[in-house]
Amino acid sequence: EPEVTQTPSHQVTQMGQEVILRCVPISNHLYFYWYRQILGQKVEFLVSFYNNEISEKSEIFDDQFSVERPDGSNFTLKIRSTKLEDSAMYFCARAVKRNTEAFFGQGTRLTVV
Amino acid sequence: QKEVEQDPGPLSVPEGAIVSLNCTYSNSAFQYFMWYRQYSRKGPELLMYTYSSGNKEDGRFTAQVDKSSKYISLFIRDSQPSDSATYLCAMNYGLSGANNLFFGTGTRLTVIP
Repeated sequence: EPEVTQTPSHQVTQMGQEVILRCVPISNHLYFYWYRQILGQKVEFLVSFYNNEISEKSEIFDDQFSVERPDGSNFTLKIRSTKLEDSAMYFCARAVKRNTEAFFGQGTRLTVV
Repeated sequence: QKEVEQDPGPLSVPEGAIVSLNCTYSNSAFQYFMWYRQYSRKGPELLMYTYSSGNKEDGRFTAQVDKSSKYISLFIRDSQPSDSATYLCAMNYGLSGANNLFFGTGTRLTVIP
């Protein structure tokens, strides 16, 4: 199973600050996803990304969120102005194809204070 | 969001027991059904996926889908202490992989040696 690396493992930020969460790519993985899990709640889909475009996004993924993969480098999730309720584990997942198994990273724990 | 319901447990069983984990769902449009295992401080790891109704077996694990009842199950035979983890059911509409998955809350399983 290809290891999916996310950085940082834990981020503490002040409310209103911008954060960038990163997912390290493997060259043959073309499909990327972000999920989040608020403590004690379900894992929730945020966004899927392919060929430098958003394929699908959930209602959670509003204007404060953005994703990009500039020049084939890290796949990033940016939260522009963090709120307390953004505190959660954020998981990146990657897949070779859209309908194949996706591998989840170990997550980034975001704490907004 | 109550599209996928899962008993959160916790569930404790002795080593060697048969474990039954279940989820119900409300949306008949779901077509792909998955079970993930999540160890503490790790991302979800795909165990099995099935399409449509029926059974699928992989070693000690059997996944069962009953679309008429909107009910899915995961059975673990000869449970081992290493099976101790949180088990998440997940499903999506038209694709497998990790796009727009709807997760259950997860059932925390402990297998006692």
